[in-house]
Amino acid sequence: GAVVSQHPSWVICKSGTSVKIECRSLDFQATTMFWYRQFPKQSLMLMATSNEGSKATYEQGVEKDKFLINHASLTLSTLTVTSAHPEDSSFYICSASQGSYSPLHFGNGTRLTVT
Amino acid sequence: GQSLEQPSEVTAVEGAIVQINCTYQTSGFYGLSWYQQHDGGAPTFLSYNALDGLEETGRFSSFLSRSDSYGYLLLQELQMKDSASYFCAVRYGGATNKLIFGTGTLLAVQP
Repeated sequence: GAVVSQHPSWVICKSGTSVKIECRSLDFQATTMFWYRQFPKQSLMLMATSNEGSKATYEQGVEKDKFLINHASLTLSTLTVTSAHPEDSSFYICSASQGSYSPLHFGNGTRLTVT
Repeated sequence: GQSLEQPSEVTAVEGAIVQINCTYQTSGFYGLSWYQQHDGGAPTFLSYNALDGLEETGRFSSFLSRSDSYGYLLLQELQMKDSASYFCAVRYGGATNKLIFGTGTLLAVQP
């Protein structure tokens, strides 16, 4: 149980374009999902908390207009990187838990390369 | 600010025991988790301590001392497949289950 699916696993896009990443909880409902970003050989940095049916909560320093988050259902959250630039190239990982006091389970991540 | 410090690298041989330490300084604390991440993969949950003491899960054990803002992950009977990065993470958001991750420790298991 507690499977989180993320799609796509990798994507290459050109500067200035937008990319959408999907995160699904396959066998449980998640009112809250989290989006992390990881640069090579570095730690996971929390970008935002995705809340079902309401606005996402962004961490300090994360541009909400650049990283659009939509959590329209209890099993799906999407992250859209708008007007992507090469510095946005990174590993983006979503996570969710079955309850507030359950472990976080992570998707397999999306490796974004902006050329 | 918030910080979780870990050793950057640890090397050990198959069959040995290794301890990975984590010291933290966070605005809130509701528990310490440990995650394993193989290169290019997703972090996988290993262990969680909400209270002081030792939690054992098979070959892995985790310890927490809240008064010292310190915890560690103990890996026993090391196997080659244990070569990975290990992250401690503090739950600091209460009911929201928000985690802040440590700097990560790259474990290399040698034959």
